[in-house]
Amino acid sequence: EDKVVQSPLSLVVHEGDTVTLNCSYEVTNFRSLLWYKQEKKAPTFLFMLTSSGIEKKSGRLSSILDKKELFSILNITATQTGDSAVYLCLAGNNRKLIWGLGTSLAVNP
Amino acid sequence: EAGVTQSPTHLIKTRGQQATLRCSPISGHTSVYWYQQALGLGLQFLLWYDEGEERNRGNFPPRFSGRQFPNYSSELNVNALELEDSALYLCASSAPGGWETQYFGPGTRLLVL
Repeated sequence: EDKVVQSPLSLVVHEGDTVTLNCSYEVTNFRSLLWYKQEKKAPTFLFMLTSSGIEKKSGRLSSILDKKELFSILNITATQTGDSAVYLCLAGNNRKLIWGLGTSLAVNP
Repeated sequence: EAGVTQSPTHLIKTRGQQATLRCSPISGHTSVYWYQQALGLGLQFLLWYDEGEERNRGNFPPRFSGRQFPNYSSELNVNALELEDSALYLCASSAPGGWETQYFGPGTRLLVL
């Protein structure tokens, strides 16, 4: 059965720490994996990954996909309190979209 | 450009009633996605419409149904409401074949008493 598993489920860090969030997936005819950040309302898009080994970067955030081992990681360096949110992973093919349960990140000052 | 809109923003119903949630996609988008997010949980995929046709549905009972109209707006209907249907219902839209660039609406928060 297709599935997406994120770990850890929750994480508490101090400002300035670096965090690594994991997303493993099993999706038949996999097409893409996306990372989102969700605060109070709708998720906001972070990265889309389709090819293995190519790192996507945006400021302090970066992400990479490993299509052989079927996982992706999201790194956040020099964390800030504004990074506190739930980070969601979405994987899909041409017909199915599967979300992970998310990692709840709390960054304490 | 207007984003995805959803109505109502909040809805309160009692067990056994029916709820209808509405979604208007971004102009030019023909695909609509519905998700359920119960409190403290991740998003659960509900329905995917492409140009008026149901492309796929998630593991939800048949009392969850929907449709997409010729103008690509969409409705989600939930019949025989149960307490556990209380959740945030999110709608997203995208261009055809482009689920990776879906834009989310603000959601409808449904409370079943």
